[in-house]
Formats: sequence, C-alpha cells, structure tokens
Amino acid sequence: SQQGEEDPQALSIQEGENATMNCSYKTSINNLQWYRQNSGRGLVHLILIRSNEREKHSGRLRVTLDTSKKSSSLLITASRAADTASYFCATAANAGGTSYGKLTFGQGTILTVHP
Amino acid sequence: ETGVTQTPRHLVMGMTNKKSLKCEQHLGHNAMYWYKQSAKKPLELMFVYNFKEQTENNSVPSRFSPECPNSSHLFLHLHTLQPEDSALYLCASSQVQGGGNYTFGSGTRLTVV
Repeated sequence: SQQGEEDPQALSIQEGENATMNCSYKTSINNLQWYRQNSGRGLVHLILIRSNEREKHSGRLRVTLDTSKKSSSLLITASRAADTASYFCATAANAGGTSYGKLTFGQGTILTVHP
Repeated sequence: ETGVTQTPRHLVMGMTNKKSLKCEQHLGHNAMYWYKQSAKKPLELMFVYNFKEQTENNSVPSRFSPECPNSSHLFLHLHTLQPEDSALYLCASSQVQGGGNYTFGSGTRLTVV
C-alpha cells in the first residue's frame, strides 16, 4: 500500500510567499526524506529527518515530523520562481520489516511559483 | 551532475526490440536501485542491489531483467516490452541499503511503440 501521501496535490503561489506541503504515512518509520524533481528529471534530495527528531532546517527549508500523527510538513520560505518543481516525501522503514532499506514515495505536490 | 549517470536519456523502442539501460555511480555507494515513474503514479521500486546482490524484486515482470556486475554499475535489460511500460526509469544509489538518503540519476525516458 502507498506509504507517503502528499497534500495538496498542486500548489500555486506568488514569489515571496511561503509554501507548505504536507505528507502523511501509515507505518512506523526510521526516517522521512523530502525530494525535489524538476520536470522530467531525477530527484534531488533536500532533507532527511529521523524519527526521533521533530524539526529540521536547511536554508529556506523547514521540515517538521509528528510521529504520533504520522505526518510531516515541508515549508519553503520566501519562495522563488526557481522553486517551481514537484516535491516528494519518502519514508524509510525500520530494520526488521520487509520494507527495510527501501524508500517508499508519495505521489508528490506540484509547486508553481509565479514571478 | 549528481554523481549517478544514466544512459541513454531517451529511448524509443518497438515491442520486439531488446535494449538496455545503464546506470553508473562513482560515489562509493554499495546499494543501487531501479525505480519506475509513470504519469500520475508514485515512484515504484523495481529492484534493489546491495553489495552486488539482488535483495529485492518487487514483483517486476520478467521482461525487465536487472544486472549488477559491480557496485558501481547497474543495468536494466529490456525485451518484448508493452506500451504501458513507457515511463521514466530512475536509477538511485545509497551508501548501503537502508543507509540514509538516495542519490538519483536524471533518468531514462522510455517510449515503447
């Protein structure tokens, strides 16, 4: 079954605004990761947050993780037109399960930032 | 460049053709992965190799055949594909299976006619 599910499916904002994307998952995780994909290209790793962490920052990115709600959010502050891309969350399962060592991706959020 | 190189970038093949996708990484990673990305669907994990050993075959049809001759190279051999196999095929690597984030290649856009 699908692990990560992003919300919203599409988000359209103006440059300078903040963009928030959410991800929900179903089973216990070792870590959760966010990736970015420009149209038709490979995925680029943005940030990894471990299950014992609640918040992490990287430049204009802020990721939160709530393991009790099995959810995560990605906030991009002061967005730029160059941030236009698809954003995916991916979950890594704990050791011992059949999903260990494999990232499971959601369907992604398409972000469009208008100049 | 991410350090993971996929060739070719684009491939058009007939249903009776045989072709191969290639993935190469020189990041010192020991785990490599094939993913399929179709329109409006999540990325689907196809195969996992850890230290050259296949550790996962995610119920992939036999018309897709992976090969991992060493930790730096991964191939996906294709034969008698169907039009629904048209997709973006992404290769990724990580330090070891289960070890942190993945580094992805740019993908091969495959069209089966």
